[in-house]
Amino acid sequence: GAGVSQSPSNKVTEKGKDVELRCDPISGHTALYWYRQSLGQGLEFLIYFQGNSAPDKSGLPSDRFSAERTGGSVSTLTIQRTQQEDSAVYLCAAGQGAGETQYFGPGTRLLVL
Amino acid sequence: QKEVEQNSGPLSVPEGAIASLNCTYSDRGSQSFFWYRQYSGKSPELIMSIYSNGDKEDGRFTAQLNKASQYVSLLIRDSQPSDSATYLCALEDSWGKFQFGAGTQVVVTP
Repeated sequence: GAGVSQSPSNKVTEKGKDVELRCDPISGHTALYWYRQSLGQGLEFLIYFQGNSAPDKSGLPSDRFSAERTGGSVSTLTIQRTQQEDSAVYLCAAGQGAGETQYFGPGTRLLVL
Repeated sequence: QKEVEQNSGPLSVPEGAIASLNCTYSDRGSQSFFWYRQYSGKSPELIMSIYSNGDKEDGRFTAQLNKASQYVSLLIRDSQPSDSATYLCALEDSWGKFQFGAGTQVVVTP
């Protein structure tokens, strides 16, 4: 939707390994969100970036999860020492902020064996 | 209390009928409201946005907003099997942060 891309589209990893998920929004999208969605469940908020403000990390489930956004554009979500319960679809959404629509990327399907 | 509340469903609707989805929210400062549709295995996609009290129509979809009563609804007229999906209510709260409801599953039966 509206040019938000995510990579990889699928990731299979072994328990205990680290993974990096990437989100590339359209230029000018100052707001960027990461969500997690387990099978059959709703969206679980993880982290929110807005412009140059400090990110809202209130949704990160543990200190194994971290995210950064470089240059106000590309964002990387890192999960360290992955666990089987981390298996889910990780969605990135971006928008222009201030009442504007968010557009979702296609997601990364993570499977931890 | 969750910021955004929706009935989880499933809401079963005969083909050709009207599907009515409701959403209530707790933050009176919220100004921007959105309805997203999510097909199984896909990402959410925007259906409509609404910012002012009243009705907003777009094709077979009508969004209704009542800020005094803190609810927003979505009507789907002439429901089609292709409308079977989960519908997510979202808003931008008074802090500028997006909040999503858990979604209502709609099943349109031929």
